Amino acid sequence: DQQVKQNSPSLSVQEGRISILNCDYTNSMFDYFLWYKKYPAEGPTFLISISSIKDKNEDGRFTVFLNKSAKHLSLHIVPSQPGDSAVYFCAASALGNEKLTFGTGTRLTIIP
Amino acid sequence: GAVVSQHPSRVICKSGTSVKIECRSLDFQATTMFWYRQFPKQSLMLMATSNEGSKATYEQGVEKDKFLINHASLTLSTLTVTSAHPEDSSFYICSAPDRGGHNSPLHFGNGTRLTVT
Repeated sequence: DQQVKQNSPSLSVQEGRISILNCDYTNSMFDYFLWYKKYPAEGPTFLISISSIKDKNEDGRFTVFLNKSAKHLSLHIVPSQPGDSAVYFCAASALGNEKLTFGTGTRLTIIP
Repeated sequence: GAVVSQHPSRVICKSGTSVKIECRSLDFQATTMFWYRQFPKQSLMLMATSNEGSKATYEQGVEKDKFLINHASLTLSTLTVTSAHPEDSSFYICSAPDRGGHNSPLHFGNGTRLTVT
């Protein structure tokens, strides 16, 4: 049972435009959400997170939006840059639990 | 920033042999480390939680006798794949929370690509 889903395996965006990556979850106990970025042959690196008490968190070019009623979160990258090309994983955890449940990832390709 | 070092990055072994993967936290203490496994085009799947000074906690479906985890110190956890078979070929990644506790982003190692021939 995939509790965190990223339904788009890949996404291509023109450089300078906005990239929007989506993530859905089914477990209502999840209260903390994170986005990780992964380059080939490397481990994931933390990008941005959001707590369930918020609906938006912004860090530079990256903004994460959380819609609790829809159990949906999204990552916006603007403007998109070639270095943003990577696989992006969303992850979630429940209160009192350090374990992360990951989505299947979305491969983002920024077209110069 | 916090760094997690994982070795080896790539290993090829023959079926039936055992392989040890090391995961070190370089500038912080990690009482807990997590071991993940990733198949091609699939999600990172948590295998087990390594706890310093106590037994590891394994996720459902993960054979504890096959995937031996030892967390001997606050900076080192090891995963040993015993009697490896071709179906164990995968990408294994360790991680550790920087400060520990909930809402602490994980720092990941660079992973180990295991190929069993």
